[in-house]
Amino acid sequence: DTAVSQTPKYLVTQMGNDKSIKCEQNLGHDTMYWYKQDSKKFLKIMFSYNNKELIINETVPNRFSPKSPDKAHLNLHINSLELGDSAVYFCASSQAGQNQPQHFGDGTRLSIL
Amino acid sequence: KQEVTQIPAALSVPEGENLVLNCSFTDSAIYNLQWFRQDPGKGLTSLLLIQSSQREQTSGRLNASLDKSSGRSTLYIAASQPGDSATYLCAVRPAGGTSYGKLTFGQGTILTVHP
Repeated sequence: DTAVSQTPKYLVTQMGNDKSIKCEQNLGHDTMYWYKQDSKKFLKIMFSYNNKELIINETVPNRFSPKSPDKAHLNLHINSLELGDSAVYFCASSQAGQNQPQHFGDGTRLSIL
Repeated sequence: KQEVTQIPAALSVPEGENLVLNCSFTDSAIYNLQWFRQDPGKGLTSLLLIQSSQREQTSGRLNASLDKSSGRSTLYIAASQPGDSATYLCAVRPAGGTSYGKLTFGQGTILTVHP
């Protein structure tokens, strides 16, 4: 009955590699998000998609490329990983609308060696 | 640019105490404010959402208030329990722009309730 699920939960890889994180929601929401939580625990928006269309891109390096094959999925592909990419990445979803709460996944902890 | 600050950064209390967590934001143009709980190694669980036109919301032992004009919100936890130990985050949804809006988060308050 998981609402927002991310895979993998942990990802350890070498600098320079390319990796993907997958996110799926079964809440019937039409909007999905990626957030990054850095070592100081600050959560910051990266991307927002509505009905498979990119709505928000918060000046994220173009090494990060989100892809939304359908409303229920928003995957994050990262090219040429750098040490500074180490963080916890959270996927979230909501219905569109000003006062719709966002529901978060459990996060993917990415560690770059 | 919206900034969200939470005070205190950490709080340790004995079981049974009532406590207050504070959140302030610099731009009062918001749609809503949301309080979340984050357990170690877990995602965020939404606790309460207060719309900009509302003054407070209650859920069980939790009560959140919002004073939009002064840029403040408080989360009141009554009769705290060890199971309440977690990081509490507040986030605001800026008004304007699209309705698929981002949340701007505070840094969180780490709460420890000891038996």
